Formats: sequence, structure tokens, C-alpha cells
Amino acid sequence: QSALTQPASVSGSPGQSIIISCTGSNSDVGGYNYISWYQQHPGTAPKLLIYNVSQRPSGVSDRFSGSKSGNTASLTISGLQAEDEADYYCSSLTNKNTRLFGGGTKVTVL
Amino acid sequence: QVTLKESGPALVKPTQTLTLTCTFSGFSLSAPGMRVSWIRQPPGKALEWLARIDWNDDKFYSTSLKTRLTISKDTSKNQVVLTMTNMDPVDTGTYYCARIRGSDDYWGQGTLVTVSS
Repeated sequence: QSALTQPASVSGSPGQSIIISCTGSNSDVGGYNYISWYQQHPGTAPKLLIYNVSQRPSGVSDRFSGSKSGNTASLTISGLQAEDEADYYCSSLTNKNTRLFGGGTKVTVL
Repeated sequence: QVTLKESGPALVKPTQTLTLTCTFSGFSLSAPGMRVSWIRQPPGKALEWLARIDWNDDKFYSTSLKTRLTISKDTSKNQVVLTMTNMDPVDTGTYYCARIRGSDDYWGQGTLVTVSS
């Protein structure tokens, strides 16, 4: 199974909204609502932002939201802030009860 | 408080077998629903899910790496062990263990493994 497909980079100005897509197949993203999104700053472990497609863990800003349509999941970051500059990864359960990660998206705040 | 910490060699030679240990606290892997996963990340590259072991000893492996991986647990020691055979320089990276289930998401700090002769 190949990694989920994410854009390599997305950028935006402070205050803007950006969307990061994550495309898989019927065997993973399209088949399950177990989609997670992670934020990773350099030298640190990933931090969970979204689970089960659109659920936010306690303590995560409501500027982060998730959705899914067919085989593509999306992460929206609203009101972009300098601290949002990081790498973002999607992850999905698969039909083999394993997990796949996306190739990662580097977010740049202009 | 849930914590996980990875340990193992920082340097291995090509063709050798890597053994990594995840020592955790704050939960028991014998409790129903508990699970521990291994994920790795080559320098400057994406995360890659490797394997998972569940409380009932069910084991799941990355399709692309399953012939090289073995995951096991020692409940009495609160440890999960991952072995990866036939190491290659492309296996260089940071290896994380994590407890992941929905919002229940805890990661270790990661351990850097370099494969070089």
C-alpha cells in the first residue's frame, strides 16, 4: 500500500485559511472514518490535531477542522498564524487493520 | 500520566538486525483495548507506520515491511519490542513508539537509528 497523497507544500498569509488535502483509496480513506491529522514541528514528535475525520482532541484550537469526501480527506486551518508553520500529516486506517500516513505537507506562513 | 520511551542502538551496520524497545508507563498493555504502535521517519521525510501490537497479542505489520518486522510485548515489564532484520542505509531515521487510538494519542520522543558501515 502506497502512502496517502498530500501536496508537498501549502502557503498562506496570516489570517488566511488554507486547506490540505489527503487522497487515498476505497481501501483506506474512502472506506473508513478513522482519519487523523498531525502537526509536527522540527525535532519534535507529531501532535494530534484531528481524529475520526473531524473530531478535535481537547486543547486543540478550533482553527483546525477536518472533513472527508469520498477518497479525499481535508484539513482546514483558519486564521493562519505564524505558529502554524510546520509539517502536517494525514493518517488513515486501512482494510488490513494497519495505518497509512500521507507524504506530508509543509505549511509556510508568508 | 502516560509516557513512552524508545531505546536501542544509535548505529547499526548494514545487514544487521535492529532491536528497539519501547518502555511505557501509565497504562497496562494487558488492559482491553490497549495497543502500541511503531512509526519511523527518515531524516527530512514522511512518517511511516511500521507495526502494532494489541492487548490480546494481535499483531499487524506494514505490508511493505512485514517480512522484516517482528513485534512482541512483555506485559510484566511494560515493554514492546520491535525487531527489523537486514537493515539498510535507507532504514536510517527516527523510530517512534506510540499509543494511538482515536483521541488517545501519546508518542515517545523517538530514537535516531543510523545504518552505516
